[in-house]
Amino acid sequence: NAGVTQTPKFRILKIGQSMTLQCAQDMNHNYMYWYRQDPGMGLKLIYYSVGAGITDKGEVPNGYNVSRSTTEDFPLRLELAAPSQTSVYFCASSQPLTGTMNTEAFFGQGTRLTVV
Amino acid sequence: GQQVMQIPQYQHVQEGEDFTTYCNSSTTLSNIQWYKQRPGGHPVFLIQLVKSGEVKKQKRLTFQFGEAKKNSSLHITATQTTDVGTYFCAEFKYNFNKFYFGSGTKLNVKP
Repeated sequence: NAGVTQTPKFRILKIGQSMTLQCAQDMNHNYMYWYRQDPGMGLKLIYYSVGAGITDKGEVPNGYNVSRSTTEDFPLRLELAAPSQTSVYFCASSQPLTGTMNTEAFFGQGTRLTVV
Repeated sequence: GQQVMQIPQYQHVQEGEDFTTYCNSSTTLSNIQWYKQRPGGHPVFLIQLVKSGEVKKQKRLTFQFGEAKKNSSLHITATQTTDVGTYFCAEFKYNFNKFYFGSGTKLNVKP
């Protein structure tokens, strides 16, 4: 199993450009998440999904869009990139279990995005 | 609120010294998880605690969940340079389908 795979690893965008950050998981997890992490800071939730066809906003959704057409893939779209979107983006997946079972988040390697 | 507060924000220790980071919540936590993020890396799950007063150990790391399930701690005995990174606590809230992460404690270990 590859786990959670994010592409690209690095990207430089010009202001106003658009791009899609790809995220795929091969663990058949229903829950997927997009976070951004600014330098030296914690994780902020952008969007999340509890299954194919279902997406919800997190705490910082402005300037981003997502789709979840399959269980495996959860792409994040940036429209009209702005310098404030310079950050490291992490995709994560999980399969929540109740009781004493672990409900851990599996993170991808991240995409380091710079908007200039 | 639903935040998990984590302290300290930074900790600098000499190699061999102990280190502790704390997570606190104003509400009862259903579970507490700990993650480690190496510099330039991604968060990696370490452990999950669910029971009141639970204590788990992983080599030099000791994880505790408070009796009231409102706080947790991660203690590292005799730190090594390989312990450098940021440690996050998190709660998974089943009714919101989301993880609530603490702000993290960045550990620096001087050799």
